[in-house]
Amino acid sequence: ETGVTQSPTHLIKTRGQQVTLRCSSQSGHNTVSWYQQALGQGPQFIFQYYREEENGRGNFPPRFSGLQFPNYSSELNVNALELDDSALYLCASSLGAGGTSGELFFGEGSRLTVL
Amino acid sequence: GQQVMQIPQYQHVQEGEDFTTYCNSSTTLSNIQWYKQRPGGHPVFLIQLVKSGEVKKQKRLTFQFGEAKKNSSLHITATQTTDVGTYFCIAGNNRKLIWGLGTSLAVNP
Repeated sequence: ETGVTQSPTHLIKTRGQQVTLRCSSQSGHNTVSWYQQALGQGPQFIFQYYREEENGRGNFPPRFSGLQFPNYSSELNVNALELDDSALYLCASSLGAGGTSGELFFGEGSRLTVL
Repeated sequence: GQQVMQIPQYQHVQEGEDFTTYCNSSTTLSNIQWYKQRPGGHPVFLIQLVKSGEVKKQKRLTFQFGEAKKNSSLHITATQTTDVGTYFCIAGNNRKLIWGLGTSLAVNP
């Protein structure tokens, strides 16, 4: 157990809908990173939040947005869902940000299916 | 931009054979991490290497960081079926983490 919890674990949406995924970071960690992992692929970095500010972003469109709260938990929001958004969404918490963030602790992920 | 190449993409071995995956960067790194992801699971941290030429061992796993801090390897001695999964390297520079594409290991019993 990593102490990182994600919800929901599975969900099904239709094209054009919006989704919010949630992540509770490990106690004491101030950084949360979000990843998208399509079937058979490696995790793709979406963005990172450090002390409630976005601290880096991958090659994802603006309809992917996020928040980090004062308790360092985080949300990932995706608007105008497309079929290609179907994937496992992983949240990772760490102490410290950027390239020296140290060990990443991953949650079990939220599996999103877009029909 | 900075890239990290991880090879091979796939490896299929007989149980008991050795396995090595390599991670190569175009620029000098501040650190490198290795993770293992079992099928259907999430990535799990294995090790972090920071020092030039560093070698660390965990039972049958040996991790190396090159002298120039541009490459790293993970070597598994005498693979077991429990070693099945995808091994990812994550290269860190001062600003960000860069993922390798992973090496998927299959082990025949």
